[in-house]
Amino acid sequence: GESVGLHLPTLSVQEGDNSIINCAYSNSASDYFIWYKQESGKGPQFIIDIRSNMDKRQGQRVTVLLNKTVKHLSLQIAATQPGDSAVYFCAVPKGAGGTSYGKLTFGQGTILTVHP
Amino acid sequence: GAVVSQHPSWVICKSGTSVKIECRSLDFQATTMFWYRQFPKQSLMLMATSNEGSKATYEQGVEKDKFLINHASLTLSTLTVTSAHPEDSSFYICSAWGGGTDTQYFGPGTRLTVL
Repeated sequence: GESVGLHLPTLSVQEGDNSIINCAYSNSASDYFIWYKQESGKGPQFIIDIRSNMDKRQGQRVTVLLNKTVKHLSLQIAATQPGDSAVYFCAVPKGAGGTSYGKLTFGQGTILTVHP
Repeated sequence: GAVVSQHPSWVICKSGTSVKIECRSLDFQATTMFWYRQFPKQSLMLMATSNEGSKATYEQGVEKDKFLINHASLTLSTLTVTSAHPEDSSFYICSAWGGGTDTQYFGPGTRLTVL
């Protein structure tokens, strides 16, 4: 079955630094990938997504890189701020197309702590 | 943006009782909703897919008689944890698919503690 994992369970950075969070996936047929941010006691918040026909996508202060050859994606956060402190999950749909994209397999999560 | 709410936000119950958790899409219709469970310091695990007007589909290992799901309208799905036990204590999170953007929106979660 599908599995999604993260290399580093915790990441501690100084305010203003750039942060990189990594994720590995196992299903080479996966065609859609999502990053979520979860603050303590809250539901996941969508950050950015990328489809398999792309290898890079940028948002506001965030960039997702996808390397399909090694089945790896990363989330880069530029100029990390204390408000970025949270748990970050990558997620991959269990199915393909339509609402099947809502059935997600989540990675184990990385705890990002930003020190002022 | 699309908003999903859950009620209650937290609940404490005695072992053996049943607890109902509501998930509502506030400003859009959701034909499909999903229920996840998250234990402390762990990831989210998909429990079931809730389809409006039809039976829910459960992920492998999730007891359908234990976790009753009803999706009676396009804006409401309920999860009932029957005969709850301490091991059912968890953070239950729903998501709703729709809103015209082909994506899903997560609720704020419900913290269940079974004594």
